[in-house]
Amino acid sequence: DAKTTQPPSMDCAEGRAANLPCNHSTISGNEYVYWYRQIHSQGPQYIIHGLKNNETNEMASLIITEDRKSSTLILPHATLRDTAVYYCIVPRSISNFGNEKLTFGTGTRLTIIP
Amino acid sequence: EPEVTQTPSHQVTQMGQEVILRCVPISNHLYFYWYRQILGQKVEFLVSFYNNEISEKSEIFDDQFSVERPDGSNFTLKIRSTKLEDSAMYFCASSDRDTVSYEQYFGPGTRLTVT
Repeated sequence: DAKTTQPPSMDCAEGRAANLPCNHSTISGNEYVYWYRQIHSQGPQYIIHGLKNNETNEMASLIITEDRKSSTLILPHATLRDTAVYYCIVPRSISNFGNEKLTFGTGTRLTIIP
Repeated sequence: EPEVTQTPSHQVTQMGQEVILRCVPISNHLYFYWYRQILGQKVEFLVSFYNNEISEKSEIFDDQFSVERPDGSNFTLKIRSTKLEDSAMYFCASSDRDTVSYEQYFGPGTRLTVT
């Protein structure tokens, strides 16, 4: 898996946009960027993924730089329930489709402040 | 919305005892996984399973561990002789071959405490 670097912790005011950065300078051309989060001791939750274009879903937006060496996960209107550890993962290229493990790092602990 | 379920939510066992952790993956998913998280540490991959056989396993998944899909809905993790260091949260996950393979859906976990 490509190495990722995330800040260990961040705070964000409730109602504001939370912008979580991730560096993945060794990413290869066909490797995706995935984001998961883990709310206190619960199972990790898939958020979003992307290759090179910006992506948006009902949970978040993902902005990937043109050189693909970094990305930002954006939670547009953070709520207290978004307090969690957020993981940026760049898995190895898909070899056996549908069968690949996830390697979790230490992530960013995001705290939403009321 | 379909979800992965796990039972029990908390299991306490004595060292040396066998435990079976149970998971019901999302019904149309074909790929199944077990991960664990020791308190305060990272989530670690244990094993992946497809077509009734193990696809990949980590160094943690030694001979004391086994997985099984005994019927069309359950996916189990067995630890034959538990050790104190097996105390952790165990998460089951599943994924659908029709989606990109790293989009995995996790259950709420089973907290295993070995005394």
